[in-house]
Amino acid sequence: EPEVTQTPSHQVTQMGQEVILRCVPISNHLYFYWYRQILGQKVEFLVSFYNNEISEKSEIFDDQFSVERPDGSNFTLKIRSTKLEDSAMYFCASSGTGTGRNSPLHFGNGTRLTVT
Amino acid sequence: ILNVEQSPQSLHVQEGDSTNFTCSFPSSNFYALHWYRWETAKSPEALFVMTLNGDEKKKGRISATLNTKEGYSYLYIKGSQPEDSATYLCAFFRNAGNMLTFGGGTRLMVKP
Repeated sequence: EPEVTQTPSHQVTQMGQEVILRCVPISNHLYFYWYRQILGQKVEFLVSFYNNEISEKSEIFDDQFSVERPDGSNFTLKIRSTKLEDSAMYFCASSGTGTGRNSPLHFGNGTRLTVT
Repeated sequence: ILNVEQSPQSLHVQEGDSTNFTCSFPSSNFYALHWYRWETAKSPEALFVMTLNGDEKKKGRISATLNTKEGYSYLYIKGSQPEDSATYLCAFFRNAGNMLTFGGGTRLMVKP
């Protein structure tokens, strides 16, 4: 069964550094998402992406965050200048060959980001 | 801010017990309610996507109901097994935008 893959599985970075988290969604899916979970807290929505543009973003997704789908297969999340509070598990998800809201999300295994 | 709440936060049951938990969500601007099962060290897996008031879905021993007018959904597990141990997440899609908002989850532990 096709799956969403994320790399790396774990990234350690120093505060202020830039990180890029990578995701390969399921190939015929049209809607892409980034979520994160800070330890002990809820899964939080960051951003959704459709038709090569952001369709919605949360308050968390400020100017230090950006997303890109550079080559039609990868979907990346960039954090420009990491802060300690960015430490979390970041999940990529994709959905839908039709309306994204009617289709379940398929999640990757996550990237654990640790900012020191 | 959309409030999606799940109760209880955690639940310990014996093998063979039936159990249920609750998800509450905004009753206005409803589009869809998702349920996911999340095992430790794995990624969340979809159980159900529900869109119609009164809908009831079933997958093996797991079933879910939906009341969009009052803003709640129940997930039922009949005859719990140790392999049902996981966190169960519900998530709400409103009828505008493209954001799925998750509840805090119910962590189920089934003792053999």
